[in-house]
Amino acid sequence: AQSVAQPEDQVNVAEGNPLTVKCTYSVSGNPYLFWYVQYPNRGLQFLLKYITGDNLVKGSYGFEAEFNKSQTSFHLKKPSALVSDSALYFCAVRHYTGGFKTIFGAGTRLFVKA
Amino acid sequence: GAGVSQTPSNKVTEKGKYVELRCDPISGHTALYWYRQSLGQGPEFLIYFQGTGAADDSGLPNDRFFAVRPEGSVSTLKIQRTERGDSAVYLCASSLLAGDNEQFFGPGTRLTVL
Repeated sequence: AQSVAQPEDQVNVAEGNPLTVKCTYSVSGNPYLFWYVQYPNRGLQFLLKYITGDNLVKGSYGFEAEFNKSQTSFHLKKPSALVSDSALYFCAVRHYTGGFKTIFGAGTRLFVKA
Repeated sequence: GAGVSQTPSNKVTEKGKYVELRCDPISGHTALYWYRQSLGQGPEFLIYFQGTGAADDSGLPNDRFFAVRPEGSVSTLKIQRTERGDSAVYLCASSLLAGDNEQFFGPGTRLTVL
């Protein structure tokens, strides 16, 4: 069965420092991988996706993610965190099994301190 | 342009009652998804439509839950004989196509079953 793990409930980082939010997945075959962000009182917003090709994908707001097939990971990164990046981040995997069911991780709350 | 809208934004009902939750996707989006999000959890897949048909309804928890999309646009999630455990935020999302397309989420309907 498909699954997504976000091992950290919360990540704390100082403004200006690099940030990493971890995600690992379990799925047979080739996955489609996504990151979404949820700001308070707002809906989930798409950040970036990996479908195929270059393992490093770039997305919105300066975020990027690296697909590592051998480690089945898709960690979200940003070289320099901003206070405004503080939000809830969700990793998601989609796999074709006759349909395109999407499985989300439990989420990681990012706190960026000024 | 207009995003995904959901009505009502909040719904309070009593145990045993019937409720309907509505989703208006982005115009032209053929795929529509329903999720349920409980506090502290990621979105849990319920069902997705490709056009008018339910392409994957494997996430519906039991036969009290049903969803329709009769004209391939607006969708309604119907819950019969509501239980307290049904209390959650119900999210709707749409995408241009299923597969590798990113999903655009609505603000959700917060359902409280007393």
